Amino acid sequence: DAGITQSPRHKVTETGTPVTLRCHQTENHRYMYWYRQDPGHGLRLIHYSYGVKDTDKGEVSDGYSVSRSKTEDFLLTLESATSSQTSVYFCAIRTGTGSTDTQYFGPGTRLTVL
Amino acid sequence: LAKTTQPISMDSYEGQEVNITCSHNNIATNDYITWYQQFPSQGPRFIIQGYKTKVTNEVASLFIPADRKSSTLSLPRVSLSDTAVYYCLVGDEYGGSQGNLIFGKGTKLSVKP
Repeated sequence: DAGITQSPRHKVTETGTPVTLRCHQTENHRYMYWYRQDPGHGLRLIHYSYGVKDTDKGEVSDGYSVSRSKTEDFLLTLESATSSQTSVYFCAIRTGTGSTDTQYFGPGTRLTVL
Repeated sequence: LAKTTQPISMDSYEGQEVNITCSHNNIATNDYITWYQQFPSQGPRFIIQGYKTKVTNEVASLFIPADRKSSTLSLPRVSLSDTAVYYCLVGDEYGGSQGNLIFGKGTKLSVKP
């Protein structure tokens, strides 16, 4: 599992509430990613990071922000949660920077916005 | 970006060989092809990766023709535990500042007794 943990694993919140999901890695990888997975859509990239304080948007970044103040932690924030953000969120790390690298995923966080 | 196309679903029986084909017509010269497996309630798991010809590991084989516009994941003698969604991905500018992979909808493989 490449030392990836996500917290919380499950969360139920109400519309309009801020929510922060945490991804933690123990192997000092440079690249980290946040995906969401919804039925019929597969995995879609929200944001990614290529170093401390270096982040960029993915395919579905609207309504989300991220921060990476330390190599090991990548935080995903929903400033004001909406029901459309009910999803399973996966964090991933990428090993290295070359063409043969792969991504390893965390166990996921199931978020329900009521 | 090199997007991929693969069947939405496939059915098989235990003990059979399963081949899942993925098309990626716009693959770039430096792109590698990677396959992931995902079980329900878990994150995707790396299966195999290749650039051209054939790659084999303890889990699967990957066949890539010379033009690299498609690839085939081969699972020998599947069991019920191989029931999962399989994703074909092509790398995006590895080595640059991006490095994000594009996941399609995957192929849902159902293995029956």
